[in-house]
Amino acid sequence: DVKVTQSSRYLVKRTGEKVFLECVQDMDHENMFWYRQDPGLGLRLIYFSYDVKMKEKGDIPEGYSVSREKKERFSLILESASTNQTSMYLCASSLPGTRNNEQFFGPGTRLTVL
Amino acid sequence: QKEVEQDPGPLSVPEGAIVSLNCTYSNSAFQYFMWYRQYSRKGPELLMYTYSSGNKEDGRFTAQVDKSSKYISLFIRDSQPSDSATYLCAMRAGGTSYGKLTFGQGTILTVHP
Repeated sequence: DVKVTQSSRYLVKRTGEKVFLECVQDMDHENMFWYRQDPGLGLRLIYFSYDVKMKEKGDIPEGYSVSREKKERFSLILESASTNQTSMYLCASSLPGTRNNEQFFGPGTRLTVL
Repeated sequence: QKEVEQDPGPLSVPEGAIVSLNCTYSNSAFQYFMWYRQYSRKGPELLMYTYSSGNKEDGRFTAQVDKSSKYISLFIRDSQPSDSATYLCAMRAGGTSYGKLTFGQGTILTVHP
């Protein structure tokens, strides 16, 4: 079974703090994604990566950066957290060419910025 | 206008009812269409996927795609309380898109006994 794990289920940070969200997958997937999920807005893509050290902006990259130094790990960084970044953050991974590039999701990190 | 529109509900039905969930989209490049199911406090899981137009059936679930109308549907027959979840439609273009998906807003479904 594919497993995608995220470092924290719940996180509370203060405005202006630098925040790191970690995601690890154990199935050697090339593609990894970071989304945020907000009520009424669904999942919105922040960044994705299709290989080590490669990254592409998604639909809402402002205020975020990412790092992918190893194939299994994809980190999302909030350089200076703001209250409007309070959200559920979901990481996903996929292997190109398999079952329609099915994305496998982690359980999510609920981040609250005070 | 969002590329993918989905009625967020919430939708509440009695056990045994037929449920219809729908999405419309505007991007004619979309070729792959998916439905994800998300239980409370969990990540989404792929429920069904369809390539191009047509129907696909899996047990109590049927996915329909009408590309001419840019409209997709998910039908759940004989709905069960265990079907209570958020249902997200998702779609992507073909080619080298790295599997990038565009999601609808999600519909919250409750099936009560």
